[in-house]
Amino acid sequence: DVKVTQSSRYLVKRTGEKVFLECVQDMDHENMFWYRQDPGLGLRLIYFSYDVKMKEKGDIPEGYSVSREKKERFSLILESASTNQTSMYLCASSPSTGAGDTQYFGPGTRLTVL
Amino acid sequence: GENVEQHPSTLSVQEGDSAVIKCTYSDSASNYFPWYKQELGKGPQLIIDIRSNVGEKKDQRIAVTLNKTAKHFSLHITETQPEDSAVYFCAAKRQSGSYGKLTFGQGTILTVHP
Repeated sequence: DVKVTQSSRYLVKRTGEKVFLECVQDMDHENMFWYRQDPGLGLRLIYFSYDVKMKEKGDIPEGYSVSREKKERFSLILESASTNQTSMYLCASSPSTGAGDTQYFGPGTRLTVL
Repeated sequence: GENVEQHPSTLSVQEGDSAVIKCTYSDSASNYFPWYKQELGKGPQLIIDIRSNVGEKKDQRIAVTLNKTAKHFSLHITETQPEDSAVYFCAAKRQSGSYGKLTFGQGTILTVHP
């Protein structure tokens, strides 16, 4: 089975802190994604990556950056956390376009910024 | 860009009844439409998908229908069971040049009462 793991299930940080969310997948997928999930807004794409060291902005990239140094690992970085970044963060991976469309999600990280 | 609208936001049914969730999309070039189910404490998981060259697809108690002309698609669950209780998300994707980027609807909280 495909497995996507996220470094923390729950995280509490203070305003202004630098926050790292880590995601690892074990299926050698080319594509990786970071979403945030908020009630009534569904899943909104923050950033995605289609190859190592490649990244593309999603729909809501402001206040976030990403890093993909290895194929299996995709990190989301909040340079200076703010209270409006309190949310559930979901990581997903999928094979390269044409090799399958299913996105496989991790369990999520619930981030609270105080 | 693509916009996906999902209704209703909440749906409550009795066990054994049918449930229908509807989505509309804006980009006529979208050609892949998956449905994801998110159980409590877990990430979303694909349950069924449909491509634009097909009008309907069934998998046991779940089915998806697609009306390309009207740009809407629906999820149908028959003989609902308490374990169907979850949040359901529809999504849409343009196949070409999109690196698997999905646009999700706002989600529907389905509750099946025993």
